[in-house]
Amino acid sequence: GAVVSQHPSRVICKSGTSVKIECRSLDFQATTMFWYRQFPKQSLMLMATSNEGSKATYEQGVEKDKFLINHASLTLSTLTVTSAHPEDSSFYICSAHAPHEQYFGPGTRLTVT
Amino acid sequence: DAKTTQPPSMDCAEGRAANLPCNHSTISGNEYVYWYRQIHSQGPQYIIHGLKNNETNEMASLIITEDRKSSTLILPHATLRDTAVYYCIVRVRGSQGNLIFGKGTKLSVKP
Repeated sequence: GAVVSQHPSRVICKSGTSVKIECRSLDFQATTMFWYRQFPKQSLMLMATSNEGSKATYEQGVEKDKFLINHASLTLSTLTVTSAHPEDSSFYICSAHAPHEQYFGPGTRLTVT
Repeated sequence: DAKTTQPPSMDCAEGRAANLPCNHSTISGNEYVYWYRQIHSQGPQYIIHGLKNNETNEMASLIITEDRKSSTLILPHATLRDTAVYYCIVRVRGSQGNLIFGKGTKLSVKP
């Protein structure tokens, strides 16, 4: 099946700093990518939809100025968590939409201290 | 996308078949049944999907009832590595929208 990668796999940062997470579709082009967040023992919750060449669409309650999404090419979307706080600590997962199917990255564990 | 209902948890003995049920009584005629699983601290993994016929691949079998209101994912010989949360999702194939995850079924395979 198609492969989606994420980098880094885990990151620890200090409160107030920014962190960038990359999501790449390795063997297909994705005009649409999705960013999910998952807190412990909970299901995946969609944060935003990233469309190549246009602005991302954010779900209700997700701050667009805090979670900056850039989808500059058909194989790369980035999520930047700005001015991170401990409550932003979570598991962030991206997925890329291929023809007919959707494939997920391995996730990024963010810990804000 | 239609809503699904799954039991919160199930146990299965290693080497035995794991049968995971899913109810999707409001499924529409053009919606497929998809199954994904998420092993702890990993991204979701696609398992299988089907419309109305039973499907089988190297990972699992999918049995869909004739009225399409429910389905069962079968892992024929469960191993400890199959311990994961299994999600049943219904959606129109090819839809550009995101997958909506419910709470899934936590399958624990025990030695």
